[in-house]
Amino acid sequence: NAGVTQTPKFQVLKTGQSMTLQCAQDMNHEYMSWYRQDPGMGLRLIHYSVGAGITDQGEVPNGYNVSRSTTEDFPLRLLSAAPSQTSVYFCASSYDRGRTGELFFGEGSRLTVL
Amino acid sequence: GESVGLHLPTLSVQEGDNSIINCAYSNSASDYFIWYKQESGKGPQFIIDIRSNMDKRQGQRVTVLLNKTVKHLSLQIAATQPGDSAVYFCAERTETGGFKTIFGAGTRLFVKA
Repeated sequence: NAGVTQTPKFQVLKTGQSMTLQCAQDMNHEYMSWYRQDPGMGLRLIHYSVGAGITDQGEVPNGYNVSRSTTEDFPLRLLSAAPSQTSVYFCASSYDRGRTGELFFGEGSRLTVL
Repeated sequence: GESVGLHLPTLSVQEGDNSIINCAYSNSASDYFIWYKQESGKGPQFIIDIRSNMDKRQGQRVTVLLNKTVKHLSLQIAATQPGDSAVYFCAERTETGGFKTIFGAGTRLFVKA
């Protein structure tokens, strides 16, 4: 049981480049989300999805796009990377309402933008 | 691992003592309140949650208390062990409007042997 899988684990970009962080879960979770975590900070919600075809903005959505074409996958796209997007990115998923508040996290993707 | 928690509030306790980590939350409409543990270089790991209609919930060596009057959440760890050293985050989840989970500021727990 893989849980939540994120790729790549490490990435270095130059300012202006684009890339996609991949996230996949095999638990049939309806809810998926992306967070960023800067040094000494908590986790800030970027985008989230309550099911295939449905996405919404979180606390810090600017500079990021998402899509949810399948239940399993929730990629995060950086269209034009900026140094301010240097961070550790975490993908998380969970069950639907009423069962638990628990989020299951991936191991993170560390992104450096030069 | 990454430098998580460098500037976070720190709680230092002796091994075997009880630890209490506090959190103030902001959204009265949240349905769940959750505690996560994050070790260096890893993603957050669920510890325990409590529904908004409860005041107290106990797990293995952990207890979460919810005071809705003052919007306060606490995590109590009994007989703290060196393996409990980590950064602890509180979070609140709202099921209406999209199941968002918003994290609060973390607390770094140091356990002295």
